Amino acid sequence: GDSVTQMEGPVTLSEEAFLTINCTYTATGYPSLFWYVQYPGEGLQLLLKATKADDKGSNKGFEATYRKETTSFHLEKGSVQVSDSAVYFCALNPGANNLFFGTGTRLTVIP
Amino acid sequence: GAVVSQHPSRVICKSGTSVKIECRSLDFQATTMFWYRQFPKQSLMLMATSNEGSKATYEQGVEKDKFLINHASLTLSTLTVTSAHPEDSSFYICSANRQGWGDTEAFFGQGTRLTVV
Repeated sequence: GDSVTQMEGPVTLSEEAFLTINCTYTATGYPSLFWYVQYPGEGLQLLLKATKADDKGSNKGFEATYRKETTSFHLEKGSVQVSDSAVYFCALNPGANNLFFGTGTRLTVIP
Repeated sequence: GAVVSQHPSRVICKSGTSVKIECRSLDFQATTMFWYRQFPKQSLMLMATSNEGSKATYEQGVEKDKFLINHASLTLSTLTVTSAHPEDSSFYICSANRQGWGDTEAFFGQGTRLTVV
């Protein structure tokens, strides 16, 4: 079945450090892939997405490339800020309406 | 942008009582809403799909008589946890899809932390 495996946290980084959060997926067909972010006290917000192989989603300095050959969609940012502290969820949409989520990774950025 | 509002954000209730959680789409109509549940250190798991004007569709293993879903209007879905027990303590979150031009985006509520004591 469809599933997402996400790097477990928590992750603690110093400001301006490089961030990678790994995400791999299992799906039949050609799913769309997403990264959602949840800031403290708020709902999940779409951070970026990619709908087909080799697409790169980007937003707010974050990037992720849809790699079909490795079934991966790793999230990266070159220089994190304290304001990036949040929980990050990788998700896939296999073509139906609902989403399959990873477990979430809590990121804490310290000054 | 589109906003989905979920209320309450936190609730503590006694074992055996019922709790209602509301999910509203504030600036768009949602014929379908989704209810998820998250256990500690686990993924968000889809519980049910809420359909406006018809019965909800429950995922396997989710008790429909325990988790009552009502989607009475195009902007409101409610989840009622009936006769709550401590094992129902969890984080519940709703989402609604907004149809765009050739694209569909999911918007999420803030989530509800339910603690049953």
